[in-house]
Amino acid sequence: KNQVEQSPQSLIILEGKNCTLQCNYTVSPFSNLRWYKQDTGRGPVSLTIMTFSENTKSNGRYTATLDADTKQSSLHITASQLSDSASYICVVPTGANNLFFGTGTRLTVIP
Amino acid sequence: KAGVTQTPRYLIKTRGQQVTLSCSPISGHRSVSWYQQTPGQGLQFLFEYFSETQRNKGNFPGRFSGRQFSNSRSEMNVSTLELGDSALYLCASSLNQGAKNIQYFGAGTRLSVL
Repeated sequence: KNQVEQSPQSLIILEGKNCTLQCNYTVSPFSNLRWYKQDTGRGPVSLTIMTFSENTKSNGRYTATLDADTKQSSLHITASQLSDSASYICVVPTGANNLFFGTGTRLTVIP
Repeated sequence: KAGVTQTPRYLIKTRGQQVTLSCSPISGHRSVSWYQQTPGQGLQFLFEYFSETQRNKGNFPGRFSGRQFSNSRSEMNVSTLELGDSALYLCASSLNQGAKNIQYFGAGTRLSVL
């Protein structure tokens, strides 16, 4: 069964600290994995897109890793800021037309 | 370049009514997809339109329908509204059809059904 699972469901961290969000997928065939950031009341915005051959990809303070063997991805946020408070959604497309979404991790950064 | 525009941003309806939501994709994008987002279910795919034709459909009842115009703008209609239809409805556009194309999301329409 094609599925994308994210953990934790929610996370609270202090400003300036680092954190790591997890995404496990059982989607096949695999072409790429995407991380989106969604601010409250807004649409998701793409952070990174990783293909099968990529292990690590960075976008500023965001670094995504991918292990295609274990079907796991992580999103590491360095030196968190208040503006990082949002939901982070892992998305894996498969086949021609299907996108599988995780339910997201709700991150709250407190001062 | 303007992003994906959804109107209205907020909508309040009562059970049994119908509603039409609008989405203007990024200029040059020909594919428009619609999603329903609720706290419990996350993002769920409704349908995708490309060149004015529905190309893919999610697992939603026939009360949910859509269309796409020749300028790629799309509308989504929900008839006989139910309380459970309360959600954030997101539209995403991409250059071409299919899941491998990167999607750009609008800010969404927040629908509340009373």
